[in-house]
Amino acid sequence: RKEVEQDPGPFNVPEGATVAFNCTYSNSASQSFFWYRQDCRKEPKLLMSVYSSGNEDGRFTAQLNRASQYISLLIRDSKLSDSATYLCAVIPMNSGGYQKVTFGTGTKLQVIP
Amino acid sequence: DVKVTQSSRYLVKRTGEKVFLECVQDMDHENMFWYRQDPGLGLRLIYFSYDVKMKEKGDIPEGYSVSREKKERFSLILESASTNQTSMYLCASNSLPLNYGYTFGSGTRLTVV
Repeated sequence: RKEVEQDPGPFNVPEGATVAFNCTYSNSASQSFFWYRQDCRKEPKLLMSVYSSGNEDGRFTAQLNRASQYISLLIRDSKLSDSATYLCAVIPMNSGGYQKVTFGTGTKLQVIP
Repeated sequence: DVKVTQSSRYLVKRTGEKVFLECVQDMDHENMFWYRQDPGLGLRLIYFSYDVKMKEKGDIPEGYSVSREKKERFSLILESASTNQTSMYLCASNSLPLNYGYTFGSGTRLTVV
């Protein structure tokens, strides 16, 4: 089983729709979680961290479900500019002076006019 | 804003050449990372460094080496480039605590012919 798994998509949604992606992780000791956004042929950019209690940033909501070992990203009122690939990232329990991030392969979102 | 700068956006090299990819960050981050990204495989960690002159192998270090002589600079070296090293190479940095995630450079698209 992969350490971090995502549905590759693509998710094709109309403008204004609500869309949600999940990301499952295998290491129950994982301690930190993130969502990154990557535009075509660009570098990933941090979208938001995922906190235990869930967190919201405008139209974006991130949730963590430790019991089922997944994180989710919900996008409300989708915009054309939300079209991108969304990568989840997981950090295992720290075992030294560094922390190594494991990334999912990404979920592609295409928002359609 | 933290800036991570990769020296080249596009590179074309011949099989057998020694290739140097340079990465510089300007925020005094302790940790620096080199990833490669390939379609369907996602981001894979090649090497990372958590201090000057320190280096650790990632998941796919074969055929690569690294150098970190100064805190702000982390170099990836392809000792003898091969066609299977054609890829997008991404440098990233972060600092403890890790809750702020990575900052990536804009990437180097390397083609080995």
